[in-house]
Amino acid sequence: GNSVTQMEGPVTLSEEAFLTINCTYTATGYPSLFWYVQYPGEGLQLLLKATKADDKGSNKGFEATYRKETTSFHLEKGSVQVSDSAVYFCALIEPGTASKLTFGTGTRLQVTL
Amino acid sequence: NAGVTQTPKFQVLKTGQSMTLQCAQDMNHEYMSWYRQDPGMGLRLIHYSVGAGITDQGEVPNGYNVSRSTTEDFPLRLLSAAPSQTSVYFCASSYRGQGNGYTFGSGTRLTVV
Repeated sequence: GNSVTQMEGPVTLSEEAFLTINCTYTATGYPSLFWYVQYPGEGLQLLLKATKADDKGSNKGFEATYRKETTSFHLEKGSVQVSDSAVYFCALIEPGTASKLTFGTGTRLQVTL
Repeated sequence: NAGVTQTPKFQVLKTGQSMTLQCAQDMNHEYMSWYRQDPGMGLRLIHYSVGAGITDQGEVPNGYNVSRSTTEDFPLRLLSAAPSQTSVYFCASSYRGQGNGYTFGSGTRLTVV
């Protein structure tokens, strides 16, 4: 079956530090890949996505590249801000699954001044 | 544009009680889903629907029922609440297609005592 593995948190960084959150996946086909963000007390928001190999999704300074050879979709940001503190979820949708999302367990990011 | 609206935001139930969590979307999305979020487990799919009159089970369907009589509404029914159903519940909707991201509601925090 499908699965998504994320690095465990919490990740604690100082403001303006470089961020990487690792995500790897297992799928039988060619999935679409997503990063969602959840701010405290809120629902999930789509942060970025990529639908085929070598695609780069980007939004709000965050980037992730669909790497089929390593089955990875690592999230990066060059300079984090306190407002980026949230939980980040990696997820996939596999073809033929009626668009069912499979999520990783989430990584909590805490950014301090 | 309200997006995905969930009610109530908070609920406390006694073991054995029943209730319905409401979900409505105004984006004319074909797909709708219910997820539960538990610490350390990410989000798990309960039930989903690919259109009015069509529903199917997800990863953790036991103890829950759904129906989809209209495109807009997708209520989740707890038949006889159990403490194991204490969780945060999210409804989400999407256009048809693997590469479309889901829009999530703000969640219902349910406690069963």
